[in-house]
Amino acid sequence: SQTIHQWPATLVQPVGSPLSLECTVEGTSNPNLYWYRQAAGRGLQLLFYSVGIGQISSEVPQNLSASRPQDRQFILSSKKLLLSDSGFYLCACKGQGDDEQYFGPGTRLTVT
Amino acid sequence: GQSLEQPSEVTAVEGAIVQINCTYQTSGFYGLSWYQQHDGGAPTFLSYNALDGLEETGRFSSFLSRSDSYGYLLLQELQMKDSASYFCAVSTPGYSTLTFGKGTMLLVSP
Repeated sequence: SQTIHQWPATLVQPVGSPLSLECTVEGTSNPNLYWYRQAAGRGLQLLFYSVGIGQISSEVPQNLSASRPQDRQFILSSKKLLLSDSGFYLCACKGQGDDEQYFGPGTRLTVT
Repeated sequence: GQSLEQPSEVTAVEGAIVQINCTYQTSGFYGLSWYQQHDGGAPTFLSYNALDGLEETGRFSSFLSRSDSYGYLLLQELQMKDSASYFCAVSTPGYSTLTFGKGTMLLVSP
């Protein structure tokens, strides 16, 4: 089964600073990869998904971007963070032919 | 677009049975999933229904009625560790994405 690594676990960044969150996946090839954000006490909002290297689809226009430089690597970035970017960022993976998505441990981001 | 409705909170006692309902409106439908999330943790997959009927996995069961755009998660023999948030999510044909409901917080008391 898939294993998803995310780091860091927690992050505190000032407004206007850049962001780079990395997600790597083990145990599967050519997975679909996803970035979600969850505000405190809320549901999961899909930010980006990717069905292959270099293929990124954005669900919500905002100051975040994503990249997939390798098959099992997914990166979430921002050039300048906003206060509203605070939240719990989750990377997820779905193998080919699978119905379920598996989630990484998440990064809790606080923008101050 | 897609929208899902589920209760915000459900309370129950240990040993009881609880049902969490989910209704959805989608422009297409492929399947309904359920995820569990403990406070501070990541969501974990519980079940998936693509066809009408009941799917059973241990103490948890999930039901789907496509004609009613309705499903539920049934938790039996509740334990304190079942206190968590539960999310329903729909997937649609031709897409690889899930749309999640806002979640139901289940509180299990002794």
